[in-house]
Parts: sequence; structure tokens; C-alpha cells
Amino acid sequence: EVQLVESGGGLVQPGGSLRLSCSASGFSFSIFAMHWVRQAPGKGLEYVSTITSLGDSTYYADSVKGRFTISRDNSKNTLDLQMSSLRADDTAVYYCVKGLGGMVVSAIADWGQGTLVTVSS
Amino acid sequence: QSALTQPPSVSGSPGQSVTISCTGTSSDVGIYDRVSWYQQPPGTAPKLVIYEVTTRPSGVPDRFSGSKSGNTASLTISGLQAEDEADYYCSSYTTSNTWVFGGGTKLTVL
Repeated sequence: EVQLVESGGGLVQPGGSLRLSCSASGFSFSIFAMHWVRQAPGKGLEYVSTITSLGDSTYYADSVKGRFTISRDNSKNTLDLQMSSLRADDTAVYYCVKGLGGMVVSAIADWGQGTLVTVSS
Repeated sequence: QSALTQPPSVSGSPGQSVTISCTGTSSDVGIYDRVSWYQQPPGTAPKLVIYEVTTRPSGVPDRFSGSKSGNTASLTISGLQAEDEADYYCSSYTTSNTWVFGGGTKLTVL
């Protein structure tokens, strides 16, 4: 069974930084692309970022490009999202999501339970 | 990348069929057969119910079906059940090598 457990969320001031992590189990982590998707309170889903299975390619939504960095450690089955220059509109539940295949074009498939990031002074 | 367009809400009675539309552009829905649909009951994480326009993951009832014509994809739920009440989101791969989601549709089972 696919299990994705996010951690690292919390309250951060505008302009601050935060690092989210996702621990994966129940599947061969190194052969699947991984994504981050977020959902602001009471709002819809918003794509954030993708990293391919080998970590050799990364992709970002325009809204986070230059501020967020996605990375993975296939030896530890972990996915990270380093977030900097945080703004109030980054407040959301951040979901770690497994792709159906190894490339960015693979459908966003299996979701974790999410971790809440609140950006506020 | 602009969000895909979905109706804010749809409704139907048990046993009926409902269809949710998802309109994009020639840079996403219209050019790729990489449209997915997600079901999100209140307070839970989304669940994939359709991918690559028409394919159901294992365990998803065949009451759920997907289609696409031009820049618009659709999700049809037949034989509505109370447990189908949820928010539904579409998503599509884009020419920017990213994904884009729709604004979501609230399905109410009357």
C-alpha cells in the first residue's frame, strides 16, 4: 500500500522559509515522479512542482518559481520542498503526491494527507 | 497558466447520471490526452478516479467514465449514490511541462 507522510508544516512569518518533507513507503520510490500540490483553505487544488524519478528534471508553477525548490533522496525514499520568500497567499495544505510513472507527464496519482503551512505575522 | 474551467456545482438524484465539464485551451486539454479527475470528500485528501481521459484506476467503480472533445473534457457519474457527494477536480498536462487544475465542482446528491 502506498503511504506518503508529509511533515514540516507550521506557522511562518511573511518573507520567511520553511522546508517540507515527505516520507514514502509501500512502493519503489525511485521509479516514480513525485509532485507537490497545494490547497488554500476553502479553495481548490493548485499545482506546485514536479521532480522526475531520477531527480534530473524539476518543474514549477509560475507562482512559486524562483522561491521554491523541490528535491528527492532516492536512498532515503524522501521528497522535500524548500520554500523561501513566503507570502500570505502561500498559506495552504501541501500534499505530497506520487505520479503514475517516472516522467512529469505521468498523472498525479496517490496523495498523502497533507501538511498545513500558514504564512502570517 | 490559467486554471481549467469547471461549473461550481452540479446535482442529481440517486440513480441518475451527472456530467461535469472541464474546459481548457489548445495548450492543455486540447493537445494532450493527459486529463485526470479527482474526487475529494470533505476533510479528506483527493483521490484519482480517472486518468488519461478515460482510464479508471483499479478499485474505481465503472459508474465513473471520462471523455474529451476538443478543449473540453467531461466526467460522467452514472447511477448516482449518496457516497459520490464530494468536490471533483480535473487536471491536465500543459505545454509548459506542468500540470493545471480546474477550479473544482461540488456534486450534491439530492
